[in-house]
Amino acid sequence: AQSVTQPDIHITVSEGASLELRCNYSYGATPYLFWYVQSPGQGLQLLLKYFSGDTLVQGIKGFEAEFKRSQSSFNLRKPSVHWSDAAEYFCAVNDMRFGAGTRLTVKP
Amino acid sequence: EAGVAQSPRYKIIEKRQSVAFWCNPISGHATLYWYQQILGQGPKLLIQFQNNGVVDDSQLPKDRFSAERLKGVDSTLKIQPAKLEDSAVYLCASSLGLGQGQYFGPGTRLTVT
Repeated sequence: AQSVTQPDIHITVSEGASLELRCNYSYGATPYLFWYVQSPGQGLQLLLKYFSGDTLVQGIKGFEAEFKRSQSSFNLRKPSVHWSDAAEYFCAVNDMRFGAGTRLTVKP
Repeated sequence: EAGVAQSPRYKIIEKRQSVAFWCNPISGHATLYWYQQILGQGPKLLIQFQNNGVVDDSQLPKDRFSAERLKGVDSTLKIQPAKLEDSAVYLCASSLGLGQGQYFGPGTRLTVT
């Protein structure tokens, strides 16, 4: 069975601070892994994806994610958060199973 | 390039009524998905099409939900009869294929009263 866990429901960071959103998955083989962002009133947008190769993948808007097989994790990071990054972030496995999401609030 | 189109954007119906949602995927995308997103939750896959064939409909409540993708392009999702718990945003997405990432439409917000 496939499942995705995003342990943090809500995270607040200050603008300019670094960000890490956690994602853990359960799957028997190497999964396809994705991060999506959903801004208020907007549709879901693909940030980045991973299947094989370099375990550190770069995405749009300055985001990156690191795949760690030993920890079954695919955490999303950004070195310096901007106010426009405030949104809901979803991790997904194999195109079809989404986590519950992490809501990011950015303090001025 | 045009994105995924969905209509209507909003719909309010009474319980036991029927409703239909329409989706037009990105041109050339063979894979089409319908999701249900309840407020505060992640999207839940209802059905996945590859061209006009069903790949996965294990989470589709088949006693009331139906979906079709005629000619492997547009798709329609229907609910009949609707229940209060069907209130949600219904998202359509399309993809070039497994592992390519999905492109989502704006969604249809359904309210069942």
